[in-house]
Amino acid sequence: DSGVTQTPKHLITATGQRVTLRCSPRSGDLSVYWYQQSLDQGLQFLIQYYNGEERAKGNILERFSAQQFPDLHSELNLSSLELGDSALYFCASSSRGEFTDTQYFGPGTRLTVL
Amino acid sequence: KNEVEQSPQNLTAQEGEFITINCSYSVGISALHWLQQHPGGGIVSLFMLSSGKKKHGRLIATINIQEKHSSLHITASHPRDSAVYICAVANMDSNYQLIWGAGTKLIIKP
Repeated sequence: DSGVTQTPKHLITATGQRVTLRCSPRSGDLSVYWYQQSLDQGLQFLIQYYNGEERAKGNILERFSAQQFPDLHSELNLSSLELGDSALYFCASSSRGEFTDTQYFGPGTRLTVL
Repeated sequence: KNEVEQSPQNLTAQEGEFITINCSYSVGISALHWLQQHPGGGIVSLFMLSSGKKKHGRLIATINIQEKHSSLHITASHPRDSAVYICAVANMDSNYQLIWGAGTKLIIKP
């Protein structure tokens, strides 16, 4: 158990809908990262937050947005969903938000868009 | 050409064999990570390297900064080592974002 929690575990929805994925980092970690992993694909970095502020942005679509709240949990919002958005979404956390940190991964949320 | 290349893409071996997975990169880095993704999807960080060699149990990771190459070795492999092994580098030129390799799928047969 990494100490990172993600909810929900599974999510099935329809095209055009909007969903919110939630992540709670390990106790004491200030930084949260979001990744997308499509079927049989590698991890794609989406976005990173550190202590409530956006720190780095990767290949995140404009239809996607995220935020980190004062209690350090983070939410990833996906809107106008398309079939191609079906994927595993991972959240990770680290202590300092440096890319030399060890990242601790949550179990992921499996999103299926029908 | 991808900035991070892993080889082989797929590897099947017998229990007990010595396993080597390679990672080559073309950018300047501050660190290299090895991670393991279990068949169920869970991801675990194995090592973070900036130089030399690290060992944890039956796993050994090495990095040669001059040659821009890292290897992950598994000694006395076991079926429970079956997983996807992923290399990721912290890129000096890209706000220290991690660049991910595509992964090596390892299957260890009993």
